[in-house]
Amino acid sequence: GAVVSQHPSRVICKSGTSVKIECRSLDFQATTMFWYRQFPKQSLMLMATSNEGSKATYEQGVEKDKFLINHASLTLSTLTVTSAHPEDSSFYICSARDGTSLTDTQYFGPGTRLTVL
Amino acid sequence: AQSVTQLDSQVPVFEEAPVELRCNYSSSVSVYLFWYVQYPNQGLQLLLKYLSGSTLVKGINGFEAEFNKSQTSFHLRKPSVHISDTAEYFCAVKRRDYGGATNKLIFGTGTLLAVQP
Repeated sequence: GAVVSQHPSRVICKSGTSVKIECRSLDFQATTMFWYRQFPKQSLMLMATSNEGSKATYEQGVEKDKFLINHASLTLSTLTVTSAHPEDSSFYICSARDGTSLTDTQYFGPGTRLTVL
Repeated sequence: AQSVTQLDSQVPVFEEAPVELRCNYSSSVSVYLFWYVQYPNQGLQLLLKYLSGSTLVKGINGFEAEFNKSQTSFHLRKPSVHISDTAEYFCAVKRRDYGGATNKLIFGTGTLLAVQP
């Protein structure tokens, strides 16, 4: 199946700093990428949908100025958590949709564990 | 709007026993259905999906699921589980229409399958 990578897998930062997470589709072109957030023992909550070359669409309640998303190419999307605070600590997962696929399947990255001290 | 219900938050089962993880959905339009598995501190891996055709869908690792339109269910089954099947399982739906490129995956709250020796 298609492979999606995320980097870093784990990051610890001080409160007030910014953290960038990369999501790459390794063997296909992803016209659409999705960013999710998962709290311990809970389901995935969609934060935003990004389409290559256009602005991301954020879900209700997600601060677009805090969670900056860039989808500059068909294989790379980045999520930047600006001025991170302890409440931003979470597991962030990206997924990518294969633009050539008729099956409309999303492939997920391995996730990034963010801990804000 | 679509929604997914996974009534069982945790299912304990002994090794080599059969298991069924329940998933019910609600939607006013036709949907695609998915089951994903998440191992600890990892992203989601696609187990199987129902797009159209045969209502019995076979996936990886010996899992299968049956789409029942009248009961709006998509239960996941395995005839004999292994210790290694211990993980969180998520059922998800997505609207089936031309705008599928950006239609969201709606996840259930997950079921922890705990296989005991």
